[in-house]
Amino acid sequence: GQNIDQPTEMTATEGAIVQINCTYQTSGFNGLFWYQQHAGEAPTFLSYNVLDGLEEKGRFSSFLSRSKGYSYLLLKELQMKDSASYLCAVMDSNYQLIWGAGTKLIIKP
Amino acid sequence: GAVVSQHPSRVICKSGTSVKIECRSLDFQATTMFWYRQFPKQSLMLMATSNEGSKATYEQGVEKDKFLINHASLTLSTLTVTSAHPEDSSFYICSAREGQGLYEQYFGPGTRLTVT
Repeated sequence: GQNIDQPTEMTATEGAIVQINCTYQTSGFNGLFWYQQHAGEAPTFLSYNVLDGLEEKGRFSSFLSRSKGYSYLLLKELQMKDSASYLCAVMDSNYQLIWGAGTKLIIKP
Repeated sequence: GAVVSQHPSRVICKSGTSVKIECRSLDFQATTMFWYRQFPKQSLMLMATSNEGSKATYEQGVEKDKFLINHASLTLSTLTVTSAHPEDSSFYICSAREGQGLYEQYFGPGTRLTVT
């Protein structure tokens, strides 16, 4: 079966750094996405990785290791507005997105 | 960037009535549209995938006679929840993709359905 695992909830302090991990087992792989979702809103795209390595985009970076079936999203200089759920999704061989359950990130002052 | 709209953003209806939700791609042609449902504190659950001009493909456990999907044009898909019940109350989100294969999905803002 297909499976995406990520922690249910994480807490971090404003100004700090947090890493959200995601492991996956899917039928084929056409890339891994990270989305941010604030409560009551639709997801917004953060990053896409299809090759191994680190992709940096401002305060957010995303890493992928295809051999390990592993990715992480790194958030630096945390701000209160970063409090949200972070969804990991993998595009399988049929180009369908398989979604993780999401990680709720709580930022404390 | 690509924009997807949904209407209405919120709807309250009585049990037994039907509700239609529209999803539009505003600045691109959406070959494929996806309908998701999300219950509180849970992740997105794909309900169905629709390609323009063809019947929608429903995920296992989703009743196609209850959740009617019509993808009549390259910019519009509709989801009709028929004979709604309180357990259908949820956050419904559509997304659209421009082509087949490796294209980014763009999400609509979602529709909050409450059935009383």
